[in-house]
Amino acid sequence: GESVGLHLPTLSVQEGDNSIINCAYSNSASDYFIWYKQESGKGPQFIIDIRSNMDKRQGQRVTVLLNKTVKHLSLQIAATQPGDSAVYFCAENGNFGNEKLTFGTGTRLTIIP
Amino acid sequence: NAGVMQNPRHLVRRRGQEARLRCSPMKGHSHVYWYRQLPEEGLKFMVYLQKENIIDESGMPKERFSAEFPKEGPSILRIQQVVRGDSAAYFCASSPSLGMVNEKLFFGSGTQLSVL
Repeated sequence: GESVGLHLPTLSVQEGDNSIINCAYSNSASDYFIWYKQESGKGPQFIIDIRSNMDKRQGQRVTVLLNKTVKHLSLQIAATQPGDSAVYFCAENGNFGNEKLTFGTGTRLTIIP
Repeated sequence: NAGVMQNPRHLVRRRGQEARLRCSPMKGHSHVYWYRQLPEEGLKFMVYLQKENIIDESGMPKERFSAEFPKEGPSILRIQQVVRGDSAAYFCASSPSLGMVNEKLFFGSGTQLSVL
């Protein structure tokens, strides 16, 4: 079946450095992608989203890149801070709406002070 | 402006008992979604409800699981005759209206169900 997967389960980054979290998706019909951050004991928190008609979108310290050719999504976090330590999930919702988000397994990001 | 509220935060049940998980959406939100998360995994869609209607329950097991979102009160996810495999974190999310493009889901803090 269709799936959304991540390349690396864990990532450690020195505080202040930039981090990149990658995600591969297999549903070529997907047209909306979201990155969520989940801290221990909490629900997923929306970070940034991107539509398939875009290849880049920037937020505050975060950038999402979408490469539809190879079905790859990445989340870049600039100038990482200890509070960025969390599990990051990419998700896609198929052709429309938000009813069924398909989540990847997640990448645990650890910021080293 | 309270977010999505779920209770209890932790629920312990013995095999064969019933579990009831409650979710109050954000104020003004009329759509509720339930997701399940196993340890070290991503969230899996279970069911999507509007007030008094189940819109999509394709991710919910056919037996022992049911969900409702009454006209008044919170949404309830009910698991009958729980088994150890039901142990997971159950998250609820809400949105203001039918899943519009760019309409973000807001998740609650989840209920951790442990079946002994």
